Parts: sequence; structure tokens; C-alpha cells
Amino acid sequence: ELKVEQNPLFLSMQEGKNYTIYCNYSTTSDRLYWYRQDPGKSLESLFVLLSNGAVKQEGRLMASLDTKARLSTLHITAAVHDLSATYFCAVDVNTDKLIFGTGTRLQVFP
Amino acid sequence: NAGVTQTPKFQVLKTGQSMTLQCAQDMNHEYMSWYRQDPGMGLRLIHYSVGAGITDQGEVPNGYNVSRSTTEDFPLRLLSAAPSQTSVYFCASSYSILPGGTQYFGPGTRLLVL
Repeated sequence: ELKVEQNPLFLSMQEGKNYTIYCNYSTTSDRLYWYRQDPGKSLESLFVLLSNGAVKQEGRLMASLDTKARLSTLHITAAVHDLSATYFCAVDVNTDKLIFGTGTRLQVFP
Repeated sequence: NAGVTQTPKFQVLKTGQSMTLQCAQDMNHEYMSWYRQDPGMGLRLIHYSVGAGITDQGEVPNGYNVSRSTTEDFPLRLLSAAPSQTSVYFCASSYSILPGGTQYFGPGTRLLVL
């Protein structure tokens, strides 16, 4: 059974600081997705990572995938308040199912 | 272009009642899925469909039925509601079977079962 674990589960960080969210998964997969969810809202797709070594960047967020280590990271550079949200990673299983991590709730304060 | 729509937005049920959560997309997407989101547990896949007439179970299918008679619609039926089904339900769709297909999520349905 595939397990997807994120850490930390909760992250409170100061504006301007850098931090990394980790996503570990328990079975072989080379397809990983990152989503953002604002409170009371739906999920928004951030990144799609489709191969070992894939790196994608959008603004202050950068995601990477290491399929050998079964690890993806979401790096936040110089955090701003607008990044406050819950971030989910999800792993593709057999090309027809997505298994989600428990999410990382990020709060950025002044 | 409305994307993925879900109705109702909120629903309160009594234990034992049945109901159908509606999901529709206007993007001609083949792949559709239903998730439930509970506090501290992320999203869990209930059922999914890779095309009209084809459905399959996800992680937590018990107590739910689905059908896919058209490409556009993917309703989720609760057969006999239980308090454990209190959750937020999200429908999602993507152009093709994964990999690489970005999933678009609906706004969600908040369900409370008393």
C-alpha cells in the first residue's frame, strides 16, 4: 500500500525566510504533483513532476523530484504572506490513481 | 467555460438517508474522480473513472456508488449516510489518464451527517 508522508505538518515562518517542505512516498513512482489549498477553497495545481531529477519553479516556489530516494521537495524562497496556505503532494499510482499526502499548513507572518 | 462544478455546496443529512452529489465538467475530460477530505488526513480517493462507462474503486469506496453514463457527469451516491461520512467532497477531472494530466478540482461539497 502506497503511503505518502509530508513534513512538517505545520510550518510557521517569518516573511523573507526560506524553508523546505518534504514529501516522502513508499513505492516506486516517477510522477508527483504539488497542489495548493487556501482555507475553505478547492485545490489548485502548482507543479507536475514527471521524471527523476525534474525541477520546476514558479515565483518563490521550486519543486524537485528524486525518484531513487522517493522524495520530493517544495522549497520556499523569501516567503511572503500570500504564500500562506496548505500544500499537498500527491503520487501517481499505476497511472490512474493519485494518493495524497496529509498536507503541510504554512503560515507566513510579518 | 465553467470548469468543474459541484452541487450542492452544503448538505445536512440524517443517518440512513441517501443522496447524490453531482459533479459535471465541460472540458471534455476523460478522467474524473471523487475525493473526500477530512481534517488532518489529506484527500482520499473514493472512486474514479477513466471514461464513460468505466469506473473503479479508490482507497475508501465503501458506502459510495458511482456511475459514468456521459463524459460530462460523474455523480457520487451515498447509499445510507453515516456520521463517518461527514466530510468535504471534491470532484476532479483531467484531460487524460495520468501521468502528467493536471487535475482540475471542483469547489467542493460540505456534507454533515447527523
